[in-house]
Amino acid sequence: QSVLTQPPSVSAAPGQKVTISCSGSSSNIGNNYVSWYQQLPGTAPKLLIYDNNKRPSGIPDRFSGSKSGTSATLGITGLQTGDEADYYCGTWDSSLSVYVFGTGTKVTVL
Amino acid sequence: EVQLVESGGGLVQPGRSLRLSCAASGFTFDDYAMHWVRQAPGKGLEWVSGISWNSGSIGYADSVKGRFTISRDNAKNSLYLQMNSLRAEDTALYYCAKDPRDSWGESPFDYWGQGTLVTVSS
Repeated sequence: QSVLTQPPSVSAAPGQKVTISCSGSSSNIGNNYVSWYQQLPGTAPKLLIYDNNKRPSGIPDRFSGSKSGTSATLGITGLQTGDEADYYCGTWDSSLSVYVFGTGTKVTVL
Repeated sequence: EVQLVESGGGLVQPGRSLRLSCAASGFTFDDYAMHWVRQAPGKGLEWVSGISWNSGSIGYADSVKGRFTISRDNAKNSLYLQMNSLRAEDTALYYCAKDPRDSWGESPFDYWGQGTLVTVSS
């Protein structure tokens, strides 16, 4: 059972914006950096955002991350059909001494 | 180009053992910590274990502690996961993942392999 909670699914039309929330606690999100991973169907996860809001080389600026208190948010603007995937947040949990992932959110482009 | 290629998965009976391998290339392997992350069929991601660049620091999820052992051979650019006393709930796709730092913990996983499937069933 994950300690980070995400909505099971979000959807929007092409070109629109979606946001995905990730809720945790002071032992994880509240005191550690958050990352986001994109998992396209049938493929391995890919790092999308790290250190709350930084994008690795090659990740378009349509993807953005933010953190406030014990919650984090992933934003995707200009939604494309190729963005249909599962998205996971992740961070270190200082109390459990393990890396924890969110429950995952499926993004559907209508 | 960073490449991580897992192998060693398969069908195994409960209580038996299996050893996974991950062959790394495209980066200086002994500069970075490495991890195993698994994903049960249709489920989310679960961190399994991490190991520092020199094997001096190792960590495990509670679900595998005492049964799984992570190791690495820097001369062979390889990461391993010895899995003993396997259970049905260990059935998953096991990914090898690279850490952007030399020590594990707190940092994300910047590169992932394609995974190797482990099925525990009688």
